[in-house]
Amino acid sequence: NAGVTQTPKFRILKIGQSMTLQCAQDMNHNYMYWYRQDPGMGLKLIYYSVGAGITDKGEVPNGYNVSRSTTEDFPLRLELAAPSQTSVYFCASRPLGQGFGEQYFGPGTRLTVT
Amino acid sequence: AQSVSQHNHHVILSEAASLELGCNYSYGGTVNLFWYVQYPGQHLQLLLKYFSGDPLVKGIKGFEAEFIKSKFSFNLRKPSVQWSDTAEYFCAAHTDNTDKLIFGTGTRLQVFP
Repeated sequence: NAGVTQTPKFRILKIGQSMTLQCAQDMNHNYMYWYRQDPGMGLKLIYYSVGAGITDKGEVPNGYNVSRSTTEDFPLRLELAAPSQTSVYFCASRPLGQGFGEQYFGPGTRLTVT
Repeated sequence: AQSVSQHNHHVILSEAASLELGCNYSYGGTVNLFWYVQYPGQHLQLLLKYFSGDPLVKGIKGFEAEFIKSKFSFNLRKPSVQWSDTAEYFCAAHTDNTDKLIFGTGTRLQVFP
């Protein structure tokens, strides 16, 4: 298993540009999550999904959108990039029931908006 | 609202020193607790977890943590740190009324040889 994969690893965007951060998992996990990690701030939940076709907002959803058309994929969309979205983005997943709360993380995407 | 607090933001130790990182959570119900570690340039990995039972849990690489319900704490310990333990450590809680993990702000540990 590849686990949780994320692309790209690094990206620089200009203000106002849009992009999609890709996340995929091959473990057949029901739950998937998007976090952003800012220095000294820990991880903040952006969006999450409990299964294909179902998504919900986390703590900091503004400026982002997600979709979950399949169990495997959970892309995160930035429509109008702003400097405040400069961060490291982590995708995570977990199976239904087992290890309630225990999540598996991807390697992250480092995004800079200038 | 539920929250997780890590009061040690940056800890510097010499090799072989003992380590204790504090973690407190605020929630009165059932809680599952986790410590994750993030080595430089890598993603988060699970270090150890507590769901129920013995409040002293052992994880990978010689780490352990003790759940003290009366103190709402889940401190991470290691008797003798190594240079390779240099990393950022995150405490996290999962409560019985949510699908989400709540993370603390992290503690950066630097171990010097």
